[in-house]
Amino acid sequence: KAGVTQTPRYLIKTRGQQVTLSCSPISGHRSVSWYQQTPGQGLQFLFEYFSETQRNKGNFPGRFSGRQFSNSRSEMNVSTLELGDSALYLCASSLNSGTYEQYFGPGTRLTVT
Amino acid sequence: SQKIEQNSEALNIQEGKTATLTCNYTNYSPAYLQWYRQDPGRGPVFLLLIRENEKEKRKERLKVTFDTTLKQSLFHITASQPADSATYLCALNNAGNNRKLIWGLGTSLAVNP
Repeated sequence: KAGVTQTPRYLIKTRGQQVTLSCSPISGHRSVSWYQQTPGQGLQFLFEYFSETQRNKGNFPGRFSGRQFSNSRSEMNVSTLELGDSALYLCASSLNSGTYEQYFGPGTRLTVT
Repeated sequence: SQKIEQNSEALNIQEGKTATLTCNYTNYSPAYLQWYRQDPGRGPVFLLLIRENEKEKRKERLKVTFDTTLKQSLFHITASQPADSATYLCALNNAGNNRKLIWGLGTSLAVNP
């Protein structure tokens, strides 16, 4: 079974721009969660989608948004990028919402200049 | 305030010895706690989950304990190998929100041959 895939793997953007990241979960997994990882803050939960609905949201500003498609693929969008948005963005899938074991993708490294 | 803390200093041990990593938390009431392994440039990989009513969980060379009185989890790797070198992350959910994981910053483990 193919693992979680994320595209692109690396991205460089300038302040004020917006970015869209993509995540394809493991086949059959219906829940997708997004995390931001930085050296100082560690992994921080952004949001979780299940059956195209946002089930949970972390403490991030409204510039961070996401969606999930009927095939469970998910995208997250960050608008009006700030320097502090530079981070590794990780997507994790699990079989169902409430299934605790999560499978992570390799991440997208976003650098904002 | 709420905190989840792991040893910030890297742990260096000799091959064959037992590595013990600590995860302490404050002002959380987790229903479960998870341990993940993360290698550089890759997403975390799920290792073990332990529930609040379980004292100990084992999987091959791995053992996790969970003491809700001390608010602490210990993660042990017995007969450690250089391939065990990685960063180990603990994550917990807060009571009432099973899907929103809160993560420690991780402990870097180096197993020397």
